[in-house]
Amino acid sequence: NAGVTQTPKFRVLKTGQSMTLLCAQDMNHEYMYWYRQDPGMGLRLIHYSVGEGTTAKGEVPDGYNVSRLKKQNFLLGLESAAPSQTSVYFCASSYRQDYGYTFGSGTRLTVV
Amino acid sequence: QQPVQSPQAVILREGEDAVINCSSSKALYSVHWYRQKRGEAPVFLMILLKGGEQKGHEKISASFNEKKQQSSLYLTASQLSYSGTYFCGTENMDSSYKLIFGSGTRLLVRP
Repeated sequence: NAGVTQTPKFRVLKTGQSMTLLCAQDMNHEYMYWYRQDPGMGLRLIHYSVGEGTTAKGEVPDGYNVSRLKKQNFLLGLESAAPSQTSVYFCASSYRQDYGYTFGSGTRLTVV
Repeated sequence: QQPVQSPQAVILREGEDAVINCSSSKALYSVHWYRQKRGEAPVFLMILLKGGEQKGHEKISASFNEKKQQSSLYLTASQLSYSGTYFCGTENMDSSYKLIFGSGTRLLVRP
């Protein structure tokens, strides 16, 4: 039982490049989330999904897109990377609204 | 909309107690508590729901004051393993499914 798996774990991008971060969960969780965490700061919600085929904007959605074509996968896309998107990205999932979140181990992204 | 945590940092001796507070200006549906160690992912500790009971284990417990939209995390007889950053996350009554996190409280437990 792997839980929440994020790929890749590390990535360096040049300004203007695009990439996709993959989040996969094997717990049959309905809800999935993407957060970013900057040094010394809390977690800020980028986008989230409450079920297969659904997505919604969080606190800081600009510059990112997401897709949830399959229940177990939640993809985060950066269309044109900027240095301000240098961060650690965490994916999380939960069974339903009244349950705690399970986080993936994170993706450390650097945009140069 | 982001909840406010206090204090920002705490230093304890092993065996001492600590309280971490979380407050919101919005009517809350739930409050989550997580602990994150350096370089690792946040780990879920507990959830408190509107109208629910105080939750916790023997040495880590939490309360939720619905009238004041405040929650407190109680760490009793702290252990070295309690060190880390504690985050509260709040879900508002008017924006379900979105958990917004506070900026965290750094806890260091020394021998």
